[in-house]
Amino acid sequence: SQQGEEDPQALSIQEGENATMNCSYKTSINNLQWYRQNSGRGLVHLILIRSNEREKHSGRLRVTLDTSKKSSSLLITASRAADTASYFCATDRAFDMRFGAGTRLTVKP
Amino acid sequence: GEEVAQTPKHLVRGEGQKAKLYCAPIKGHSYVFWYQQVLKNEFKFLISFQNENVFDETGMPKERFSAKCLPNSPCSLEIQATKLEDSAVYFCASSQYGSSGNTIYFGEGSWLTVV
Repeated sequence: SQQGEEDPQALSIQEGENATMNCSYKTSINNLQWYRQNSGRGLVHLILIRSNEREKHSGRLRVTLDTSKKSSSLLITASRAADTASYFCATDRAFDMRFGAGTRLTVKP
Repeated sequence: GEEVAQTPKHLVRGEGQKAKLYCAPIKGHSYVFWYQQVLKNEFKFLISFQNENVFDETGMPKERFSAKCLPNSPCSLEIQATKLEDSAVYFCASSQYGSSGNTIYFGEGSWLTVV
């Protein structure tokens, strides 16, 4: 399967700490995206990184991509209680996008 | 519209009954996707459309699931003879140019409970 697999499944940190989530995949990809899901809601797009990029930043988010290891990481710096959500990576090739099972992040005030 | 609109938000069906879910994509978006999420876990891809044409249906359990996107109508996902394991949240998403390299926008989901 080409879908991403997130690690860890759950992560609990204190407000102000950094949170790192990892994603591994099995086949070659065109792009990798990270999405966020608040409880009971739809997915919200966070950031897209293309296969020829190694790192990308957006505000407090930093995404890295290592195509040789078929892995990506999402770093959230200076976490806030409002960052509590599930985070999913999604891999796409040409015409489809596949999601993993997500990492459940809890940020304690 | 400016957001993906899904109806109904909640649906309860007895085992064996039919369930039909609707999705209005963002205006101007040509691609529509359906995903199934069971117990807040992974999003299982079901089917995608490019306008009214099926683009990819490799995720559809074809025996009981069907979907359509007809011109000038909301897209629909129908489950015939529902089973308990069909209980899930069904998300619709749309994008302008397809999923590859593009953001897809999700609706808030339709919660299906089969009892």
